[in-house]
Amino acid sequence: DQQVKQNSPSLSVQEGRISILNCDYTNSMFDYFLWYKKYPAEGPTFLISISSIKDKNEDGRFTVFLNKSAKHLSLHIVPSQPGDSAVYFCAASGRGGADGLTFGKGTHLIIQP
Amino acid sequence: KAGVTQTPRYLIKTRGQQVTLSCSPISGHRSVSWYQQTPGQGLQFLFEYFSETQRNKGNFPGRFSGRQFSNSRSEMNVSTLELGDSALYLCASSLVADSYNEQFFGPGTRLTVL
Repeated sequence: DQQVKQNSPSLSVQEGRISILNCDYTNSMFDYFLWYKKYPAEGPTFLISISSIKDKNEDGRFTVFLNKSAKHLSLHIVPSQPGDSAVYFCAASGRGGADGLTFGKGTHLIIQP
Repeated sequence: KAGVTQTPRYLIKTRGQQVTLSCSPISGHRSVSWYQQTPGQGLQFLFEYFSETQRNKGNFPGRFSGRQFSNSRSEMNVSTLELGDSALYLCASSLVADSYNEQFFGPGTRLTVL
């Protein structure tokens, strides 16, 4: 039973446009959400996070939105750049982080010139 | 500052064998977490160690174990290897426990079980 789902295995976006990556979760005990970016042959790199007490968090070109009632979060990248091409993982942790991080299976973002 | 290092980077074993993977955290980091990445299941949390104590454990069989040493280096061991254990094993370190937004990942160890 997958508690964090990224339903789009891949996404292709033109350079300069907005990339929107989506993530759904089922466990209502999750209270902290993160996005990671992963290049081939490297470990994931933390991008941005959001606590369940917020509905939006911005960091430069990256914005994460959280809709608790829908158990949905999204990552917006504006404008998209070629270096953004990577696999993006959504992850969640429960109160106190007692079960570590639960990850989605990732979305492969391809930025086309 | 050196990043998280994992050794070996690649490993081939046969079914029934055991394997030990090593992770050296960033200097000063005391928390080490381990993850398994497979195409079918994605990234799954294995366990977390902090100050030589296992704090959290994911939903994996007892064949998967780990430990942390006084210098914060960590090892994970998989006994009686199965084909399904073929995966990329990632380790991540952070200064303190549960600090996921400040967790740095290593490049991983690619384990292939034949």
